[in-house]
Amino acid sequence: ILNVEQSPQSLHVQEGDSTNFTCSFPSSNFYALHWYRWETAKSPEALFVMTLNGDEKKKGRISATLNTKEGYSYLYIKGSQPEDSATYLCACSGSARQLTFGSGTQLTVLP
Amino acid sequence: ETGVTQSPTHLIKTRGQQVTLRCSSQSGHNTVSWYQQALGQGPQFIFQYYREEENGRGNFPPRFSGLQFPNYSSELNVNALELDDSALYLCASSLQTSGTSGELFFGEGSRLTVL
Repeated sequence: ILNVEQSPQSLHVQEGDSTNFTCSFPSSNFYALHWYRWETAKSPEALFVMTLNGDEKKKGRISATLNTKEGYSYLYIKGSQPEDSATYLCACSGSARQLTFGSGTQLTVLP
Repeated sequence: ETGVTQSPTHLIKTRGQQVTLRCSSQSGHNTVSWYQQALGQGPQFIFQYYREEENGRGNFPPRFSGLQFPNYSSELNVNALELDDSALYLCASSLQTSGTSGELFFGEGSRLTVL
């Protein structure tokens, strides 16, 4: 069973600020790293799936990087908006089958 | 394209009872996974079904069981309910090909309360 850690647990930022959070995972037996956004009263929605060391992915104002050798991924949000308020989950798999999730980072963007 | 739907959305049971939760996968997906999310924690993997066979299981006792049907819909059954089973149960479907770890498409979950 993998141990996936996310930090910070929660944060509040002002509208327009840029922010980033961290996901740490065991670097051995790595297969894939997923990021999900989970808004209140909705279902988790996939942002990125990354597999290769050095991968960088971008979707609008949100981007993510992956370092499989040292076991971490960063999620960046540029120019945060109130609609970015959500819990951001990362999950890691050591095989094609089982995803181990972190506890999430709860982001609140203040207008 | 129909998304993942789960039923019921909320239910209340008492200790010792049994519960069945249902999930309808997204069209075209052949894999379904079930997760339990307790308060303050991330989703915990229960098990996964691929083409109607259990394809991986997390650290959950045998009283947690499942089924996947030919139309790829799925059930999660929990027997002898305990208070600690109170949680949000999430179903996620995906298209698994050649062992790839495709993104998961989640339902909104079934909130189970055990009294």
